[in-house]
Amino acid sequence: QSVLTQPPSVSGAPGQRVTISCTGSSSNIGAGYDVNWYQQLPGTAPKLLIYGDSNRPSGVPDRFSGSKSGTSASLAISGLQAEDEADYYCQSYDNSLSGSVFGGGTKLTVL
Amino acid sequence: QVQLVESGGGVVQPGRSLRLSCAASGFTISSYAMHWVRQAPGKGLEWVAVISNDGSNKYYADSVKGRFTISRDNSKNTLYLQMNTLRAEDTAVYYCARGPGLHGYISYWGQGTLVTVSS
Repeated sequence: QSVLTQPPSVSGAPGQRVTISCTGSSSNIGAGYDVNWYQQLPGTAPKLLIYGDSNRPSGVPDRFSGSKSGTSASLAISGLQAEDEADYYCQSYDNSLSGSVFGGGTKLTVL
Repeated sequence: QVQLVESGGGVVQPGRSLRLSCAASGFTISSYAMHWVRQAPGKGLEWVAVISNDGSNKYYADSVKGRFTISRDNSKNTLYLQMNTLRAEDTAVYYCARGPGLHGYISYWGQGTLVTVSS
């Protein structure tokens, strides 16, 4: 059971927009700690996608965006492409655990 | 460019020890907090431990506290994870990763090294 809760899977057709939710609690997201998102393509290491709730590292397309409200955060992917098919993870800091925590991951399928 | 290369993984019996290393290149680790994150086969990511840039602060996941020790040698630009009293549930790919800080995002990841705990 992960501290941050994500849907196990989402899907969408090419060109569509999908969102992935990440629900936490008052000791992590709700406490104001940053939410970060990672993309893990099959058989590869994770890659930073969004940091500080809504910031994109250089090289990440603006089709990817992040937001946060209360104890939840969301990753939105617009203009879905086949290459976006991957696992996506949210991450934050938890002050009751004194460490980082990840969501369980969401598998994105591009139909 | 930034590179993190893990080594030291392998098959080990339950109760035994193993030490992982992570050689960094393309940057100086003394400027960054460094993490270990693991991923059991077919499962999600699990944060394991983090060490501050100067080694003075260390934090661990409850699942490894008291068994694993994170350390660094800034003169060798290398990060370590000493894993003792290994259990079957420690079987995973272990990723070395770079901060910037102790509790924020992870900016770069290594390719990982597989640790299998089995008799």
